[in-house]
Amino acid sequence: AQTVTQSQPEMSVQEAETVTLSCTYDTSENNYYLFWYKQPPSRQMILVIRQEAYKQQNATENRFSVNFQKAAKSFSLKISDSQLGDTAMYFCAFLRLYGNKLVFGAGTILRVKS
Amino acid sequence: DVKVTQSSRYLVKRTGEKVFLECVQDMDHENMFWYRQDPGLGLRLIYFSYDVKMKEKGDIPEGYSVSREKKERFSLILESASTNQTSMYLCASSPGQGGGYTFGSGTRLTVV
Repeated sequence: AQTVTQSQPEMSVQEAETVTLSCTYDTSENNYYLFWYKQPPSRQMILVIRQEAYKQQNATENRFSVNFQKAAKSFSLKISDSQLGDTAMYFCAFLRLYGNKLVFGAGTILRVKS
Repeated sequence: DVKVTQSSRYLVKRTGEKVFLECVQDMDHENMFWYRQDPGLGLRLIYFSYDVKMKEKGDIPEGYSVSREKKERFSLILESASTNQTSMYLCASSPGQGGGYTFGSGTRLTVV
């Protein structure tokens, strides 16, 4: 079974600075998908970024980018120019290529300070 | 705006009550899911459904059942609520084929 580990329960960053959230996963499969989700205090889970494992290029969405290291089974999220609205719980998640079920990490609480 | 709607944002029930949590999606998605979210444990899958009247157990199905009579609606049922079922419940849907989930805004259930 796949597992996803987020080793940082909480992090904080100053507004306008850059922060990186860590995620590692365990799988024996070669092709799969990886996701980062954001859950702000409003509780609405929002998809931040999606990576296809068979693509070597790291996914980017505006200020959010990932560092995908397939051999190391690492999928970190970098947030540049942090904003107060980035304060949220961030979840890393794994999906098998032909699967339906996302497997989530325990989450990292990120606090952006002014 | 496409979305997943959960019928209640907050719910307080008594121990032993039968509880229904409703979820409706308007995206014609095949797959629907119920997760439970607890601090430090992330999201844990209770049940999911990949078609009408089809369901599969997730990682923590004990004490729960589900119903999917129509494609757009997926209900979670607590047959006899217990205090250890106090939690945040999240519903989600997905089109499959590597697509991400769309989540509802969650139901915070307290069993007293």
